[in-house]
Amino acid sequence: NAGVTQTPKFQVLKTGQSMTLQCAQDMNHEYMSWYRQDPGMGLRLIHYSVGAGITDQGEVPNGYNVSRSTTEDFPLRLLSAAPSQTSVYFCASSYNPTRQDNEQFFGPGTRLTVL
Amino acid sequence: AQSVAQPEDQVNVAEGNPLTVKCTYSVSGNPYLFWYVQYPNRGLQFLLKYITGDNLVKGSYGFEAEFNKSQTSFHLKKPSALVSDSALYFCALGGMNTGFQKLVFGTGTRLLVSP
Repeated sequence: NAGVTQTPKFQVLKTGQSMTLQCAQDMNHEYMSWYRQDPGMGLRLIHYSVGAGITDQGEVPNGYNVSRSTTEDFPLRLLSAAPSQTSVYFCASSYNPTRQDNEQFFGPGTRLTVL
Repeated sequence: AQSVAQPEDQVNVAEGNPLTVKCTYSVSGNPYLFWYVQYPNRGLQFLLKYITGDNLVKGSYGFEAEFNKSQTSFHLKKPSALVSDSALYFCALGGMNTGFQKLVFGTGTRLLVSP
């Protein structure tokens, strides 16, 4: 199993550009989520999904859109990038979204810089 | 509000010495607590979790953590540190009766083990 994969690993954008961060998992996990990691702030939840067709906002959703058309994929879209979105983005998944004791599996991250 | 605190930005320890990385939490109800480790340029990896039962939890790579309800703490420990343990460690809180799996992360503690 590849686990959780993310592409690209690195990306530089100009303010106002759009892009999609890709996330895929091959573990048949129902729950998927996106976090951003900023220095001194830990990881903050952006959006999450409890299954195909179902998404919801996390702690810091503004400026980001998500969709979940399949169990495997959970892309994160930046419609108009801003310098404040410079961060490292992690995708994570777990098997059962209603089991609060499930550990999450993380992808390797995407380092995004917005100029 | 639910929160996690990691009071130390960095912990320095010599190889072979015991290590402790501190974590305290605040939540209404029973907490689910997790420790994750992040090696340079990698995603987070699950180390261990406390759900219920024995207050001493054993995890991967020789790590263990002690849950203390009266002190609302979940400190990570290892009897003998290795240089390869040098990494960023995150404590996370779940079980917040939100209906779906959500984690609140601490700000992280960098562990530096010197030879």
